[in-house]
Amino acid sequence: DIQMTQSPSTLAASVGDRVTITCRASQSISSWLAWYQQKPGKAPKLLIYKASSLEAGVPSRFSGSGSGTEFTLTISSLQPDDFATYYCQQYNTYSPPWTFGQGTKVEIK
Amino acid sequence: QVQLVESGGGVVQPGRSLRLSCAASGFTFSTFGMHWVRQAPGKGLEWVAVIYYDGSNKYYADSVKGRFNISRVNSKNTLYLQMNSLRAEDTAVYYCARVADQYSGGWYEDYWGQGVLVTVSS
Repeated sequence: DIQMTQSPSTLAASVGDRVTITCRASQSISSWLAWYQQKPGKAPKLLIYKASSLEAGVPSRFSGSGSGTEFTLTISSLQPDDFATYYCQQYNTYSPPWTFGQGTKVEIK
Repeated sequence: QVQLVESGGGVVQPGRSLRLSCAASGFTFSTFGMHWVRQAPGKGLEWVAVIYYDGSNKYYADSVKGRFNISRVNSKNTLYLQMNSLRAEDTAVYYCARVADQYSGGWYEDYWGQGVLVTVSS
């Protein structure tokens, strides 16, 4: 199975900060990577798919990059609504299980 | 608008069974694959199972293989998860989620239900 490792596990930041979260795959997944945001007690929300494609309705301050085994999610200017936990997920096509990273919690500094 | 509503959760003893349902609306259910994803209390997300749009293929996480069965009834716009031989470690919120685009490799989840809690405890 493909393992996904996110870093950091927790990140303290202030409103307006540029935030970067990294996700590494244990083997190449091309660009088959998605990013989700989850707030306490709520379902995850899709932000980015295919490593860098922004889901409709998601603010443009969110962006994704990378391919192969290393990926990043960047929030260009952190807003109050962005304090949440973020997960990456590989969906290497036709190769389940489609594993998630362990999550990165973005907290208020 | 797309809606996914899970039901059937609750408290169950170890070794017993439970069936979850997910009622879908707002899209053509019969043309989309569907996932189950779970989240243990205070933990991260764990993919559980997927079923193709027509039910022709199913895949499971190793942690549930042989105990859980994913199924669907397209005429009822409903997805199911039959959970047998439940263990304490199956305690989690279970989410149903839609496969974004099965036809071009988009196996990620684009819409999620609100989740249903399953507690396995004696």
